[in-house]
Amino acid sequence: KQEVTQIPAALSVPEGENLVLNCSFTDSAIYNLQWFRQDPGKGLTSLLLIQSSQREQTSGRLNASLDKSSGRSTLYIAASQPGDSATYLCAVENDYKLSFGAGTTVTVRA
Amino acid sequence: NAGVTQTPKFQVLKTGQSMTLQCAQDMNHNSMYWYRQDPGMGLRLIYYSASEGTTDKGEVPNGYNVSRLNKREFSLRLESAAPSQTSVYFCASSFSAYEQYFGPGTRLTVT
Repeated sequence: KQEVTQIPAALSVPEGENLVLNCSFTDSAIYNLQWFRQDPGKGLTSLLLIQSSQREQTSGRLNASLDKSSGRSTLYIAASQPGDSATYLCAVENDYKLSFGAGTTVTVRA
Repeated sequence: NAGVTQTPKFQVLKTGQSMTLQCAQDMNHNSMYWYRQDPGMGLRLIYYSASEGTTDKGEVPNGYNVSRLNKREFSLRLESAAPSQTSVYFCASSFSAYEQYFGPGTRLTVT
């Protein structure tokens, strides 16, 4: 059974600092890995998807890396802003099924 | 495009009552999913449908049934609601093993 862990559970940083969010998974036979953002009381918004054959993906200030062999992914958010405050979830896909971590709740202080 | 829509947004049930959560997508995706999200936990897969006409159990299927009505619609039914089914339910869709798109969720309370 795939286990996905996100550390830390919560993070508070001043505006302008770079954010580093970690995700680890136990079964490296994945199709892809997705990072999502969830605002309080809302649904999930997909941020980045990394296929199993890729090492990283970038979108604007966001960069996600994937190391399948070690079962790790890292999401970097450059020059954080108060609008980046949210919960960030990572999920890995095996056989049509996504397994989610519990998320990292980020607060960016103005 | 509306993306993935879910109805209702909120629901309160008494123990033993039944209800159906509706989900529809307009992106011509072949795969659809139902998840539940509980405080402090990640989303857990209840059921999924890899293609029209097929459904399979996920991690936590007990107490639920699903119907893939057509390519657009995938419903989740609680036959006899229990307090343990109090949760936020999310529907999602995708093209096979690609990016999943999520609906806004249904907040269900069972008293």
